[in-house]
Amino acid sequence: QVQLLQSGAEVKKPGASVKVSCKASGYTFARYYLYWVRQAPGQGLEWMGLINTRGGGANVPQKFEDRVTMTSDTSTSTVFLEVSSLRSEDTAVYYCARGQNPNMAVTGDYDYWGQGTPVTVSS
Amino acid sequence: QSALTQPASVSGSPGQSITISCTGTSSDVGNYNVVSWYQQHPGTAPKLMIYEVSKRPSGVSNRFSGSKSGNTASLTILGLQAEDEADYYCCSYRGRDASVVFGGGTKLTVL
Repeated sequence: QVQLLQSGAEVKKPGASVKVSCKASGYTFARYYLYWVRQAPGQGLEWMGLINTRGGGANVPQKFEDRVTMTSDTSTSTVFLEVSSLRSEDTAVYYCARGQNPNMAVTGDYDYWGQGTPVTVSS
Repeated sequence: QSALTQPASVSGSPGQSITISCTGTSSDVGNYNVVSWYQQHPGTAPKLMIYEVSKRPSGVSNRFSGSKSGNTASLTILGLQAEDEADYYCCSYRGRDASVVFGGGTKLTVL
């Protein structure tokens, strides 16, 4: 069965970086795009971008492009999200999700989600 | 402030029907049939309920349906059940910057 298993909770100080992993299993890794979505406490969902698991290229919205790096390791079927220069507003649960249509890159249709990784930014 | 506008809350009694609206612009909902809806229970990941405006993933009850008119998409739930109580989010492709935008979420209370 399809599973996305994310790394554990993180606590970071302002200005630091965090790297969250998402290990996929149960399907052909390089066939589907993977996405990152975050949710601040008590708030809604926010799209952070996508990673092309075939070629490793990423599509990150302008809001995050100077602080967010997305990478992919096909040998371990794992994608990574790194956020630098952390601030308190980055405190959120970070989710990875799989796009259900392998032929569509930028989409909001995600059929499988990871369990979420809480990241707390506090001095 | 979210790119797509949803009511903060809706409510209904068991057996009733409710509709949640999601208003965007011609840059997203109005010009693209890439609108999806998610259900989220507290402490869990979102679950895809509707995609491409009106399609239901396998396993999702046919009590859930989606539609779109102009810049507004809608999620309708027929025959409300206690288990439907959750937060619901709409989501759309946005063409002007090739990104994805979400609504602010709607809390559904089953009375």
